[in-house]
Amino acid sequence: GAVVSQHPSRVICKSGTSVKIECRSLDFQATTMFWYRQFPKQSLMLMATSNEGSKATYEQGVEKDKFLINHASLTLSTLTVTSAHPEDSSFYICSASSRAENTIYFGEGSWLTVV
Amino acid sequence: AQSVSQHNHHVILSEAASLELGCNYSYGGTVNLFWYVQYPGQHLQLLLKYFSGDPLVKGIKGFEAEFIKSKFSFNLRKPSVQWSDTAEYFCAVNAYNTDKLIFGTGTRLQVFP
Repeated sequence: GAVVSQHPSRVICKSGTSVKIECRSLDFQATTMFWYRQFPKQSLMLMATSNEGSKATYEQGVEKDKFLINHASLTLSTLTVTSAHPEDSSFYICSASSRAENTIYFGEGSWLTVV
Repeated sequence: AQSVSQHNHHVILSEAASLELGCNYSYGGTVNLFWYVQYPGQHLQLLLKYFSGDPLVKGIKGFEAEFIKSKFSFNLRKPSVQWSDTAEYFCAVNAYNTDKLIFGTGTRLQVFP
C-alpha cells in the first residue's frame, strides 16, 4: 500500500524557536494533505488542510500564523511551528489520500517537545 | 458540525472473548466511515472502511464493522480477541467527497492472556 512518511519522528526545541515537520507521500501524489494533533491519551484533532499550490485551510481555533503550512509539491507538505511554546508540545500527524487506492494513509507522527 | 462518539473509553478483555466497540456519528449526509488502530508506539493503521455497498465490512486481522444508517452507527467487532489486539482504536468519519477525517476520542483495548 501507499506510504506516508514524516520527518523528524522526534524533535526537541527551545521556547521561542521554530521547528519544521515534513510530510511526504512516498509513492503517490497528494493534492491534499491533512495535519492533526494528538495530545496524550486523547484523540486526533484536525488542525488544517494542506492544499498543493494554495493556502492551507485551518480549523477553528488553530492559529495560522503559529502553525505555518506549506504544500510546495504534490508529495510534500510541511508544518512549521513558529515561536514554539511548551504548550505546543504534542504529537503531530499528517495524512494524505491515495486516489488510486481510495483510502487515507497516515504518517508515523512527529513528537515535538518544547523546553 | 460533524462529530464522532466512541462510548467505550477503556475495554479490558481476556483472550478469546468477543469484542464490540461502539461508534456513532452525527452527520445528515452521505459519509465514509473508518476504523483505525494504533498499536503502542506505532502509527495509525487502517483496519477497515465503509464507502458504500454491503453494510457489513470485513477488515484486516479478523475485524469487521457494520454500518447501520438508521442508528448512525458503525460498530467494530471481532469474535475472538488476541493479546496482540491490545491497542487504541479510533473511529473516524468524513463527509462524502472530502478527505478530512473527524475522529472519535478512541477506545483503549487491553487483552490479557
